[in-house]
Amino acid sequence: AQRVTQPEKLLSVFKGAPVELKCNYSYSGSPELFWYVQYSRQRLQLLLRHISRESIKGFTADLNKGETSFHLKKPFAQEEDSAMYYCALSGGETSGSRLTFGEGTQLTVNP
Amino acid sequence: DTAVSQTPKYLVTQMGNDKSIKCEQNLGHDTMYWYKQDSKKFLKIMFSYNNKELIINETVPNRFSPKSPDKAHLNLHINSLELGDSAVYFCASSPYQLDRGRVAFFGQGTRLTVV
Repeated sequence: AQRVTQPEKLLSVFKGAPVELKCNYSYSGSPELFWYVQYSRQRLQLLLRHISRESIKGFTADLNKGETSFHLKKPFAQEEDSAMYYCALSGGETSGSRLTFGEGTQLTVNP
Repeated sequence: DTAVSQTPKYLVTQMGNDKSIKCEQNLGHDTMYWYKQDSKKFLKIMFSYNNKELIINETVPNRFSPKSPDKAHLNLHINSLELGDSAVYFCASSPYQLDRGRVAFFGQGTRLTVV
């Protein structure tokens, strides 16, 4: 079974502060991990995925298989980063491309 | 040239009515999905179709019936709407082939309100 846990439903930081959104997963095979972001009243969109190892909008995330984590980090938060962030997992071939989402973390960056 | 489009964007209807939400993608993807986002913003998969074939059917009431006339469309029909059906419904699509990755593209959502 696939499971994604985001322990923090709400996270509030000040502009310029570092931010870390936590994500832990449970999956027996080799998963693909993603972070999706939903800005206010907009569609979900991909922020980054672990296999591309990119930094998008200053965000990075490293897959830690030992800790089964995929935390999202940014060294200096900006007000425009305020949004809902979802960690997601895609399992193996038999899952039919199923994306399992965590419950989401609402990030608020205060001025 | 929107990649995944849903109609309508907003839907307000009375209990007991039957309604449909349409979804179309022009990305050439093989797989399409319906997700439900509840009032707590929790996203849960409802259905997934691959090349018009149902491959994921989560525990969803029989009142919800997806229909895929072709691989670019996945519509959601809901019978006998209930208050608890109020939510935002997202359509999404993704490539199925493993070598193309499994990034999902989402529609803008349909906010359904049952009164």
